[in-house]
Amino acid sequence: DTAVSQTPKYLVTQMGNDKSIKCEQNLGHDTMYWYKQDSKKFLKIMFSYNNKELIINETVPNRFSPKSPDKAHLNLHINSLELGDSAVYFCASSQGTAQETQYFGPGTRLLVL
Amino acid sequence: TQLLEQSPQFLSIQEGENLTVYCNSSSVFSSLQWYRQEPGEGPVLLVTVVTGGEVKKLKRLTFQFGDARKDSSLHITAAQPGDTGLYLCAGPSAGNNRKLIWGLGTSLAVNP
Repeated sequence: DTAVSQTPKYLVTQMGNDKSIKCEQNLGHDTMYWYKQDSKKFLKIMFSYNNKELIINETVPNRFSPKSPDKAHLNLHINSLELGDSAVYFCASSQGTAQETQYFGPGTRLLVL
Repeated sequence: TQLLEQSPQFLSIQEGENLTVYCNSSSVFSSLQWYRQEPGEGPVLLVTVVTGGEVKKLKRLTFQFGDARKDSSLHITAAQPGDTGLYLCAGPSAGNNRKLIWGLGTSLAVNP
């Protein structure tokens, strides 16, 4: 069984479109994260939810909106996609604080044309 | 602002060689984690070091946490092509215990 899964794995779309990425974890963790990894491989935290409550909201354009319907799911909706949004987006989960291991999904490769 | 600097940024070596990569900061961290990210996948935790001066071994990988808990190193003995990947260090933010501070990573290529 996959611990942290993301869909889709690849996403190619035109500028200006709206798209969503879904994430699910079956580890029973209470904290979930969205990261953006750019072409230079820097892993940048975007959002984090703990038990459906937003606890980290980094400087991210408000075109990005996370939603956590329950503690096993964290989705990311992106409005009005821009070229600079092209990156790999990773979902992760952990139990408790940042001292604990973070488990990552396989990533969603977003290409905006 | 807490920062983690990793060096070298890129490393290309032959199979069988030894190597060391570094993760340095001017800030004290309560712990540091090392992750490896293989091409096309998400990062996977290798080890967490918690105590200053701690040394942990994982087969051919040796991790050390500095005495002052500001730096860490990863030494690989007799590198193999399967060690190829991006090595990332990360530590808990002092300002938000739910957030990890990430280094930029060391991209390692081990050639057969």
